[in-house]
Amino acid sequence: GAGVSQSPSNKVTEKGKDVELRCDPISGHTALYWYRQSLGQGLEFLIYFQGNSAPDKSGLPSDRFSAERTGGSVSTLTIQRTQQEDSAVYLCASSPNQGYEQYFGPGTRLTVT
Amino acid sequence: GNSVTQMEGPVTLSEEAFLTINCTYTATGYPSLFWYVQYPGEGLQLLLKATKADDKGSNKGFEATYRKETTSFHLEKGSVQVSDSAVYFCALSDPYSSASKIIFGSGTRLSIRP
Repeated sequence: GAGVSQSPSNKVTEKGKDVELRCDPISGHTALYWYRQSLGQGLEFLIYFQGNSAPDKSGLPSDRFSAERTGGSVSTLTIQRTQQEDSAVYLCASSPNQGYEQYFGPGTRLTVT
Repeated sequence: GNSVTQMEGPVTLSEEAFLTINCTYTATGYPSLFWYVQYPGEGLQLLLKATKADDKGSNKGFEATYRKETTSFHLEKGSVQVSDSAVYFCALSDPYSSASKIIFGSGTRLSIRP
């Protein structure tokens, strides 16, 4: 079946602009995660959705970052007033349930100029 | 809290050499353990997993054994190939705890010389 898809694959934006990144998880997966991977670094957890529960936002680095998940499926990560330090690859993953292995999308490479 | 520590890279080996990438973990419950791999220009893929003590995960010639007594999950391969060049991430999750995410190590970059 189809894997996790993300769009756009690449995004270049000017400092101060808002951006929206989209994630389509694997159908039927109840858990959805967003991570950030800066150049040469590991994965930084951002936010987690599980079913209809309140999301775990503990990894969001500032209030400029937000995410929503509509209908328990598609998720959008929004970064407001982007800064150069927001430049990174943003990865989305889904899993059948909390604690199970995660399936990653190809990522969105964000460049803030 | 839960954490994962893996050996720093980069690791550079010649083709057909034996590979070990060390990984140790700290967990309050009974986690599942994973190795993910990220090939150049690609997304993360699950390489192998083990869900309980003494389980051995294996895939593509790679193996890792869940050692509860040493809290380790070292990745091994007997004979590496150039195509194994990638970044490898050790990770854990505890499906029975309130933790809601997989904890990843910092990654180990592996380069194989022909």
